[in-house]
Formats: sequence, structure tokens, C-alpha cells
Amino acid sequence: QQQVKQSPQSLIVQKGGISIINCAYENTAFDYFPWYQQFPGKGPALLIAIRPDVSEKKEGRFTISFNKSAKQFSLHIMDSQPGDSATYFCAAVKNSGGSNYKLTFGKGTLLTVNP
Amino acid sequence: ETGVTQSPTHLIKTRGQQVTLRCSSQSGHNTVSWYQQALGQGPQFIFQYYREEENGRGNFPPRFSGLQFPNYSSELNVNALELDDSALYLCASSSRQESYNEQFFGPGTRLTVL
Repeated sequence: QQQVKQSPQSLIVQKGGISIINCAYENTAFDYFPWYQQFPGKGPALLIAIRPDVSEKKEGRFTISFNKSAKQFSLHIMDSQPGDSATYFCAAVKNSGGSNYKLTFGKGTLLTVNP
Repeated sequence: ETGVTQSPTHLIKTRGQQVTLRCSSQSGHNTVSWYQQALGQGPQFIFQYYREEENGRGNFPPRFSGLQFPNYSSELNVNALELDDSALYLCASSSRQESYNEQFFGPGTRLTVL
């Protein structure tokens, strides 16, 4: 059972364009939603994260939009650059206010930004 | 500040063998989590260690086991290797407090089971 569903599987964007990756979840106990960026040969690195008490969070060119009622959240990358080409994972954490936590990941989106 | 390191980088084993993977946590971190990332998939939680004890486990069989040492470094052991165990094994460290803290990932160990 896949608890966090991510789409699309791959995405090709022209330099300067907007990249949009979507995720949906079922478990309402999730209360922390990070996005990770992974380059080949590297481990995932935290990009940006949001809690469900806000609908949007922006950091530089990266924005998370969160829709609690629809149980969906998305990553928008504005002015996409070739250096953004990587695999992006959405994730969710359950009971983040407690002491026992784990990351539940989506399957990932391979983003290619063409020059 | 030293980040999370893992060894070895790559490993090739045959079915039925046993393997030990190692992880050194980031300075100041006392919690280590292990994840398995199959090709083309997102990482899947294996287990977490805190104060040398297992603290939470994902849907993995008992042949996956671990250890945490007093210096917070950790080992992942897999017995009776199967072909499906071929994956990138990621270690992540964090500082244990009352609420969620960011997990910092190492570069992983690529395990191939033939």
C-alpha cells in the first residue's frame, strides 16, 4: 500500500520554465511534509518542508502548495535551471510532534531541465 | 562539521551471503535511521536506532538487523541475501528531541546481489 503517491514519474522542462510535481496522501496522521532533491550518486537532501497549518511556503525559487482538505501537496520550481535536473521526492512524517518518526517517501520524479 | 558517511560505497554479494554496512552519523546527532532505495523507487524505512536500541521498524523481515554504538555510529546487517535485496542503502542521522528533526542522509551503499 503506497501511502504517498507522486506524479509525474518524469518531467522535462525548458530552462526558465515552471516545474510542477504533485503528491497525494491518505493518512491524516501525517503532519509534516518535506521535499527532497537527489542527484545521482548522492543521498537525498532536504529542499523545503511544510506543516499542514499553512497553505503555502516559499523559499527562493521553490514553493510548496498544500491543500489539507484534498490531502494533496505540490512543489513548484520557478525559473527552472539545468542545475535543477535531479530526482525529487515528496515525503510525509506521521506524528512529528512525538519522538518516534520516519519518513514515508513517494516514488520520485526525474526532472530534466533542458538548456 | 562532518556529514553522514557510509561504507563501503559499493558491494557485490551472492545470494545467501551476509553483509554488513556501516554509517557514521553527523556530529552532534544521536539517532540513526536506515532506508532501502530500490532502483527507480523512493527510499523505504527499515528501522531507526536511538541510544543503542531499535526505535521503530518498517516492513522488513528479521534478517535485516542493526546496531548502534556508543559513538552513535551504526551498522546494518542483512543475512541470507536475496536478489531483491539489491538496492541503495541509505543512512540518515538526526538529533533526537521531542519533535521531528531533519534527517541528514549519507551518500549510500550500493549493494548488488548476484
